[in-house]
Amino acid sequence: RKEVEQDPGPFNVPEGATVAFNCTYSNSASQSFFWYRQDCRKEPKLLMSVYSSGNEDGRFTAQLNRASQYISLLIRDSKLSDSATYLCVVARPAGNMLTFGGGTRLMVKP
Amino acid sequence: EPEVTQTPSHQVTQMGQEVILRCVPISNHLYFYWYRQILGQKVEFLVSFYNNEISEKSEIFDDQFSVERPDGSNFTLKIRSTKLEDSAMYFCASYRDPDTEAFFGQGTRLTVV
Repeated sequence: RKEVEQDPGPFNVPEGATVAFNCTYSNSASQSFFWYRQDCRKEPKLLMSVYSSGNEDGRFTAQLNRASQYISLLIRDSKLSDSATYLCVVARPAGNMLTFGGGTRLMVKP
Repeated sequence: EPEVTQTPSHQVTQMGQEVILRCVPISNHLYFYWYRQILGQKVEFLVSFYNNEISEKSEIFDDQFSVERPDGSNFTLKIRSTKLEDSAMYFCASYRDPDTEAFFGQGTRLTVV
């Protein structure tokens, strides 16, 4: 089983749509969880951290289910500028090494 | 906003040559990492560095690779005897402490021909 698994997509959605991405992780000792955004041939950039209580930042909502080892990201009212690859990232307690999923590609169309 | 700076942005080298990729982490950060991303694949951890020594390394980080922080500001990744499969984007990242956000540099695209 992959350490961090994501549906690679692509998800093709119209502007204004709501889209959800899911991610599963295998290491139950994982301590921190993140969604990063990566544009083509650019560095990963932190979109948001993910907490057990769930958290929201504008149009973005992230949820964590530790029991199921499952993380989600919901994007509401999609913009053209949201087109990117979304990376699910998990950190272990020691050393904070980040383990990346393969990413889910989102394409928002006019 | 402070940022992690990597040089060069693109390096082309012949197979068998040595390359040094350079990173200037954010000045008050203490934890430094190298990651790589082969085109079309996921970002993979290479090595972490803290207190002037390697704290963890992956299976990828074999004897071909080395890291150092020669002058208290630069953080370098040396790849000896490069192979075609070393072609990838190499990202440097730094943290102030493990509970804070990782900041990534813009990457160095290494092409081995």
